[in-house]
Amino acid sequence: GENVEQHPSTLSVQEGDSAVIKCTYSDSASNYFPWYKQELGKRPQLIIDIRSNVGEKKDQRIAVTLNKTAKHFSLHITETQPEDSAVYFCAATFYTGGFKTIFGAGTRLFVKA
Amino acid sequence: SQTIHQWPATLVQPVGSPLSLECTVEGTSNPNLYWYRQAAGRGLQLLFYSVGIGQISSEVPQNLSASRPQDRQFILSSKKLLLSDSGFYLCARTSGNAETQYFGPGTRLLVL
Repeated sequence: GENVEQHPSTLSVQEGDSAVIKCTYSDSASNYFPWYKQELGKRPQLIIDIRSNVGEKKDQRIAVTLNKTAKHFSLHITETQPEDSAVYFCAATFYTGGFKTIFGAGTRLFVKA
Repeated sequence: SQTIHQWPATLVQPVGSPLSLECTVEGTSNPNLYWYRQAAGRGLQLLFYSVGIGQISSEVPQNLSASRPQDRQFILSSKKLLLSDSGFYLCARTSGNAETQYFGPGTRLLVL
């Protein structure tokens, strides 16, 4: 079945350092890859996304890369700040009569001041 | 703007009691609607999704069911709750030809 694996499960960095979260997906029909940030007790919020016809996308301090051949995609956060501390979810979406999205298990990011 | 409402925000229910959670969407027509469950400290488990009125796809066999009586209404139900049903229930939507999912504020359910 469809599966998205996400690593690491926990990541602790010093403020100002970079953070990298990696995901792999199983369904080759997946063509859209969103990333969500979830703060404690809140709903997940979309922070960036990438489509399968694009290899890299950047938005200020965050960037995503996609290797469709290897079925890998990654989130990069540069110059981390304490407010970046949250749980981050990667996801892969494919169309099956409607859009279906499978989420990774999440990465808990701690940014130490 | 496109808004998702969920209620109640918090619910405490005894084991064996019924459940009804409601999700309504504003500002869009014919959305794809989704129910997810998130156990404490865990990821998002897709429970049901719907591409239209009366059309429900079930992802996980369990004691929950879903219904979509109107285009912008999605209901999650159970006849008898289990302890393992505790969690954060999130409704999500896409709209039109867009794949992006947006989440509602969620319902926190505690089964005792």
